[in-house]
Amino acid sequence: AQSVAQPEDQVNVAEGNPLTVKCTYSVSGNPYLFWYVQYPNRGLQFLLKYITGDNLVKGSYGFEAEFNKSQTSFHLKKPSALVSDSALYFCAVRDMEGNDMRFGAGTRLTVKP
Amino acid sequence: DADVTQTPRNRITKTGKRIMLECSQTKGHDRMYWYRQDPGLGLRLIYYSFDVKDINKGEISDGYSVSRQAQAKFSLSLESAIPNQTALYFCATSDPGGSSYEQYFGPGTRLTVT
Repeated sequence: AQSVAQPEDQVNVAEGNPLTVKCTYSVSGNPYLFWYVQYPNRGLQFLLKYITGDNLVKGSYGFEAEFNKSQTSFHLKKPSALVSDSALYFCAVRDMEGNDMRFGAGTRLTVKP
Repeated sequence: DADVTQTPRNRITKTGKRIMLECSQTKGHDRMYWYRQDPGLGLRLIYYSFDVKDINKGEISDGYSVSRQAQAKFSLSLESAIPNQTALYFCATSDPGGSSYEQYFGPGTRLTVT
C-alpha cells in the first residue's frame, strides 16, 4: 500500500523568508500527489496536486511543490512566507487505481512576524 | 467547506453508547469517505463508498459501520463507543469524473468518548 512520510513535525520560519515543508512517498507505479492545509477548527483545504507533466506545480496562496521521482519527494515551497500561512499541512498520495488516499502525519508551520 | 456538511460538530458521549455522525454534500460527487484525525497520526481512512451500492473498508474500520443512504448522504456509526475513538472525524467527497481525484472535506466532528 502507498504511504507518505513528513519528517518534520514542526517548521518555524520568519515572515518574508522562504519556506519548505518536506514530504516523501512510497507507491506502486506512478503517484498522484497532493498537499492540503488545515486551519484551526476547519476541514482540510486542497492546495495543489501533481498528476503528470511539469515537475514544478503551482497552487493556491502562492504555494508550489516540486515532484522529484528519483528521490520520491514532493516538497511544498513558498518564496516568501506570511504569518497567515501558519497552519497544519498534510501531504497525501494515491496510486493510479485511486481507491484510497494516504495522508502523512502533518507538519505544523509557524510563521513569526 | 459549505458544500460538505457534518452533524453534529461536537459530541460528548459515554462508553458503550451508540452514536451516529452524519455527512451531507451538495457537490454531486459519487465518492464519499470517512476519516479520523489523531494528533501525530494524520488522517486515517475508516470507510469509503464509490456509490450507493458500493461500501469499502478502509485502514481502520474495526468498531465502525457506515450507511450510504443516498448519493448525497453518508453516515458513520459507532455501535458501542470506547474512549480510544475520541478523535476528530472528517467526511470527504471526490469526483471520479475528473482525472485527479482531489478530495473535498467537511468541517469535522469532534467526538469525545468518556
